[in-house]
Amino acid sequence: AQSVAQPEDQVNVAEGNPLTVKCTYSVSGNPYLFWYVQYPNRGLQFLLKYITGDNLVKGSYGFEAEFNKSQTSFHLKKPSALVSDSALYFCAGPNYGGSQGNLIFGKGTKLSVKP
Amino acid sequence: GAGVSQSPRYKVAKRGQDVALRCDPISGHVSLFWYQQALGQGPEFLTYFQNEAQLDKSGLPSDRFFAERPEGSVSTLKIQRTQQEDSAVYLCASSLGQYNQPQHFGDGTRLSIL
Repeated sequence: AQSVAQPEDQVNVAEGNPLTVKCTYSVSGNPYLFWYVQYPNRGLQFLLKYITGDNLVKGSYGFEAEFNKSQTSFHLKKPSALVSDSALYFCAGPNYGGSQGNLIFGKGTKLSVKP
Repeated sequence: GAGVSQSPRYKVAKRGQDVALRCDPISGHVSLFWYQQALGQGPEFLTYFQNEAQLDKSGLPSDRFFAERPEGSVSTLKIQRTQQEDSAVYLCASSLGQYNQPQHFGDGTRLSIL
């Protein structure tokens, strides 16, 4: 079965420290993967995507993600966390068993950045 | 430019009532998606439109759920004879149409069934 997993329910980081939010995938073919962020009572905002090419993808607000095919991972990273980065983060990948563009989302990781 | 707009933002209904949720996608976006997000979970796919054609409705949980996009822009998700388990946030997203294009989400409709 195709799936996207986020093994951590919550990540706590001090402001100014690097952050990593983990995602692993289990999808067939060449995956394309997304990271989204969700603030309270808001919809999801697109951060970045991987399709092909460079394994290190740069996105919005200083975030980047590293695609690792051998480890089937697509971890989200930021060199220096801000308090305003505190939010819910979702990794998503394709549901090849479904229609074009149909995405499977992880359950989300709550990022808390303390001053 | 304007993003995806959903209305109402909040809807409270009694069990057994019918509800209609509206989505205005970004102008020019061919693809439109509906997702259901339960509390503490990631969004789950409900249905997908390309223009006015509903190409995938495999995620609709029962025949009480119905979606339409008659003119290829605004979409409505209708839930008939609502049940308590229908309580969730319903998210609409639109994209340019190619499978690997990012989806742009509205702020959702929070539906509470009493």
